Amino acid sequence: KQEVTQIPAALSVPEGENLVLNCSFTDSAIYNLQWFRQDPGKGLTSLLLIQSSQREQTSGRLNASLDKSSGRSTLYIAASQPGDSATYLCAVRSSNYKLTFGKGTLLTVNP
Amino acid sequence: ETGVTQTPRHLVMGMTNKKSLKCEQHLGHNAMYWYKQSAKKPLELMFVYNFKEQTENNSVPSRFSPECPNSSHLFLHLHTLQPEDSALYLCASSQKLLGESLSNQPQHFGDGTRLSIL
Repeated sequence: KQEVTQIPAALSVPEGENLVLNCSFTDSAIYNLQWFRQDPGKGLTSLLLIQSSQREQTSGRLNASLDKSSGRSTLYIAASQPGDSATYLCAVRSSNYKLTFGKGTLLTVNP
Repeated sequence: ETGVTQTPRHLVMGMTNKKSLKCEQHLGHNAMYWYKQSAKKPLELMFVYNFKEQTENNSVPSRFSPECPNSSHLFLHLHTLQPEDSALYLCASSQKLLGESLSNQPQHFGDGTRLSIL
């Protein structure tokens, strides 16, 4: 059974700082991995989707990496802004197509 | 505006009530999903509908009954719920392209219905 862990559970940083969010998964037989953002009282917004054959994906200030063999993914946020404050969720699509989410990292960027 | 609208936004009901959650997508997608998000637990996929046909049911109790009358609308009918069913219920949609796996397409989420069972 796939298990997805996100560390830390919460993170508070000053504006402008570069930061890394971590996601680990127990079964490396995955199809893809996706990072989402969730604002309070809102649904999820897809940020980046990495196929199992890819090593990283970039979108603006966001860069997600995937190391399938070690069961890890990181989301790098450059030059953080208060508007980046949200909960960031990692979701792993296993090779049996089942989707498993982590509990998320609550990010607060202080002005 | 995500293109996926859920109503109501908040719902309080007793354990003996019957109510329905509604989801409507305006994105022309052909797949729709129900998720449950409980406090301090990971998001859980409940049901998947692809071209109005249910393709996935992740061992959801029968007190939750989904209905997909067309590709744009998805309902979740609720009856005799339990207090542990209190959660945020999220609907999502995506587009399955010919020759592509549904798993490769990003999902667009609604803002959810916050359900509280008394």
